[in-house]
Amino acid sequence: AQSVAQPEDQVNVAEGNPLTVKCTYSVSGNPYLFWYVQYPNRGLQFLLKYITGDNLVKGSYGFEAEFNKSQTSFHLKKPSALVSDSALYFCAVRDLAGNNRKLIWGLGTSLAVNP
Amino acid sequence: KAGVTQTPRYLIKTRGQQVTLSCSPISGHRSVSWYQQTPGQGLQFLFEYFSETQRNKGNFPGRFSGRQFSNSRSEMNVSTLELGDSALYLCASRGAETQYFGPGTRLLVL
Repeated sequence: AQSVAQPEDQVNVAEGNPLTVKCTYSVSGNPYLFWYVQYPNRGLQFLLKYITGDNLVKGSYGFEAEFNKSQTSFHLKKPSALVSDSALYFCAVRDLAGNNRKLIWGLGTSLAVNP
Repeated sequence: KAGVTQTPRYLIKTRGQQVTLSCSPISGHRSVSWYQQTPGQGLQFLFEYFSETQRNKGNFPGRFSGRQFSNSRSEMNVSTLELGDSALYLCASRGAETQYFGPGTRLLVL
């Protein structure tokens, strides 16, 4: 069955330090992978996606993610965290096998960047 | 291009009432998906419409319904509201394999 796991409910990091938000997935075919961010009382904002090509994907606000097929992971990273990065982060996957184009969502990881 | 818009932004209803939420997708996008977001359950998929046809449906009771118009605007309706329907309802339109979300409608059922 298709699934997405964000193993950490919360991540705390000091401002200026690198951050990583983890995501692993399980699909039967090749995946499309996405990261979104949600600020309080707002909708989700698209950050980046992996469709094909380079395993390292760069996105908005200095974020990047690395697709690792052998580990079925798509961790979100940023070299230097900002307090304004504090938000809820969601990973999602679409399984290209079959005709179902539904996105499967992780439960979210709350990132707190401390000044 | 203007983003996805949702109206109203906030709603307060009482149990037993019904509610209709509206979503206007990004111009040119023909796919609209609806999600329910609650603190404990994360994002729960309701349904997806494409060219006025429901293409996917989540595991919600029949009280939740939707439709899409020829201009791709979509509405979702919840009848006989229950306290547990209190949530943020998010609409997303899809283009280039990416979903773009609106700000959401926050529904409070009293």
